[in-house]
Amino acid sequence: KAGVTQTPRYLIKTRGQQVTLSCSPISGHRSVSWYQQTPGQGLQFLFEYFSETQRNKGNFPGRFSGRQFSNSRSEMNVSTLELGDSALYLCASSLDRGPGSTEAFFGQGTRLTVV
Amino acid sequence: AQKITQTQPGMFVQEKEAVTLDCTYDTSDQSYGLFWYKQPSSGEMIFLIYQGSYDEQNATEGRYSLNFQKARKSANLVISASQLGDSAMYFCAKGDYGGSQGNLIFGKGTKLSVKP
Repeated sequence: KAGVTQTPRYLIKTRGQQVTLSCSPISGHRSVSWYQQTPGQGLQFLFEYFSETQRNKGNFPGRFSGRQFSNSRSEMNVSTLELGDSALYLCASSLDRGPGSTEAFFGQGTRLTVV
Repeated sequence: AQKITQTQPGMFVQEKEAVTLDCTYDTSDQSYGLFWYKQPSSGEMIFLIYQGSYDEQNATEGRYSLNFQKARKSANLVISASQLGDSAMYFCAKGDYGGSQGNLIFGKGTKLSVKP
């Protein structure tokens, strides 16, 4: 069974540019969540999508956006990049939301460096 | 505000010994889930164990067990018989009851180093 796939693995962008990161969840998983990990702030929740709908959103500015497609693949976009956006972006894939659904898998992340 | 606290930034343990990683949480929710993840240097987060707030028995998964003390709001991870491959960052997180991995609140993590 293929795991969660995040592309690209590494990315270098310039301040002011925009970037799109992709996440392909495990087949059958309908929930995708995104997290940002930095040395200073640790792991912070960005947003969660379920069946193409954003179900939860963390406390990030509007420059951070996401979407989910009908095949459950998800993308997140960051516009007008700032140096502070340099981070490891992790995607998590879940079977469903509900009692007993303890399956949880993260991808290896996309390491974004803004210069 | 909800918060997860891991008070041990780094820990050392001798191979084959047991180690306890501390986690306390602050929440007014009645229903919640507590998770532990392992993050090796490769960056991938590996799910280890889950404990629901209504679960009466402590969760166990192989060498991992969760010492859940609801009244104290603590959910410590116990790793028995440590192995060199256990060296990694360990994160405690709070989420929904039932195990959904969306909208998790993470602690700052504990770096575990296993000595041969």
